[in-house]
Amino acid sequence: GEDVEQSLFLSVREGDSSVINCTYTDSSSTYLYWYKQEPGAGLQLLTYIFSNMDMKQDQRLTVLLNKKDKHLSLRIADTQTGDSAIYFCAEDGGYNKLIFGAGTRLAVHP
Amino acid sequence: EPEVTQTPSHQVTQMGQEVILRCVPISNHLYFYWYRQILGQKVEFLVSFYNNEISEKSEIFDDQFSVERPDGSNFTLKIRSTKLEDSAMYFCASGGTTEITGELFFGEGSRLTVL
Repeated sequence: GEDVEQSLFLSVREGDSSVINCTYTDSSSTYLYWYKQEPGAGLQLLTYIFSNMDMKQDQRLTVLLNKKDKHLSLRIADTQTGDSAIYFCAEDGGYNKLIFGAGTRLAVHP
Repeated sequence: EPEVTQTPSHQVTQMGQEVILRCVPISNHLYFYWYRQILGQKVEFLVSFYNNEISEKSEIFDDQFSVERPDGSNFTLKIRSTKLEDSAMYFCASGGTTEITGELFFGEGSRLTVL
């Protein structure tokens, strides 16, 4: 069945790059997503990538997609304390649903 | 900016009691969803709702669960007889107005604690 796996915790120093990795199972996903959850808030769409793309860059964010290996990554350049949050990878089940991972907690320290 | 709102933010209930979680989705959205996250686990899909009926539900969404959109604005999740394992954060979401099918807008969640 559909499944999304990601590591649970990442700690980086302020100013360094963060890379959060994810593997998924549904090769028919049209889009793949990264959602961000800040403390006390709901999930918020951070970025997404269309399945026929290998890379998408959006300011400090770079999304890489390896369809062969079903691997998705999110790179945050120049990580700031405000980037501390939980990051969820999700694959597309169409309008009917998203399949999420368990989330990667990113801790940024000085 | 329009947002999805959920009430209550936290509810504590006794096992076997009925619980209703409420959500006000964004008004022009077409699809409505409930997800839940048990502490430390994945965010799990429960149900999607479109055109006043359930469009898809997961195996978690058994006969104890129901959803309703009674008045065109509120979207409710009812758990008929709560169990300890229903303790989780329940997220409401809405979407369906762009070609980005997974662009959902989430509420802040309702934490349910079953004792």
